[in-house]
Amino acid sequence: KNQVEQSPQSLIILEGKNCTLQCNYTVSPFSNLRWYKQDTGRGPVSLTIMTFSENTKSNGRYTATLDADTKQSSLHITASQLSDSASYICVVSARRGSTLGRLYFGRGTQLTVWP
Amino acid sequence: DADVTQTPRNRITKTGKRIMLECSQTKGHDRMYWYRQDPGLGLRLIYYSFDVKDINKGEISDGYSVSRQAQAKFSLSLESAIPNQTALYFCATSDSGLGRNNEQFFGPGTRLTVL
Repeated sequence: KNQVEQSPQSLIILEGKNCTLQCNYTVSPFSNLRWYKQDTGRGPVSLTIMTFSENTKSNGRYTATLDADTKQSSLHITASQLSDSASYICVVSARRGSTLGRLYFGRGTQLTVWP
Repeated sequence: DADVTQTPRNRITKTGKRIMLECSQTKGHDRMYWYRQDPGLGLRLIYYSFDVKDINKGEISDGYSVSRQAQAKFSLSLESAIPNQTALYFCATSDSGLGRNNEQFFGPGTRLTVL
């Protein structure tokens, strides 16, 4: 069964600290993995995308890693800011021949950054 | 994302009423999607459309219908609303021309409450 599991479900950290969010998936065949950030009351916004051949991708203070062999990804946030408080959603895209396949969404990790 | 708009943003209705949620986009994308988000469950796909003449059911289509009036417009209808359809609804778009990138751009969401 194709699934995407995220951990932890929620996380509280102090401003300026680093944190790492985890995503494990069983989606096959794999096309790409994307991390989205969803601020409260708003739609998700893409942070990074990683394909099978990529194992690290950075976007400012956000760094995503992918281990396609173990089917694990992580999102590392450096020097957290209050504005990082949001839900972070891992989304895995399945491949269907030459066309786009289905998307599988994790339930998200709710990050709260305290001053 | 201002390029994807949803109306209304909030709606309270009663059981049995017919409700239509509307989505418009100015991104020129050919693909449009409707999702619902419930606390702790993540995003779940209701319907999707790869072009004006293509409509497909997602994983939770029962109780919903859609209409793709134009490339830029995709509406979601609840023919007879029930309380367990209370949720946050998101419209999203993507561009098939980006190959397997499959980035989705989300609207701001519609909060629907069925009493």
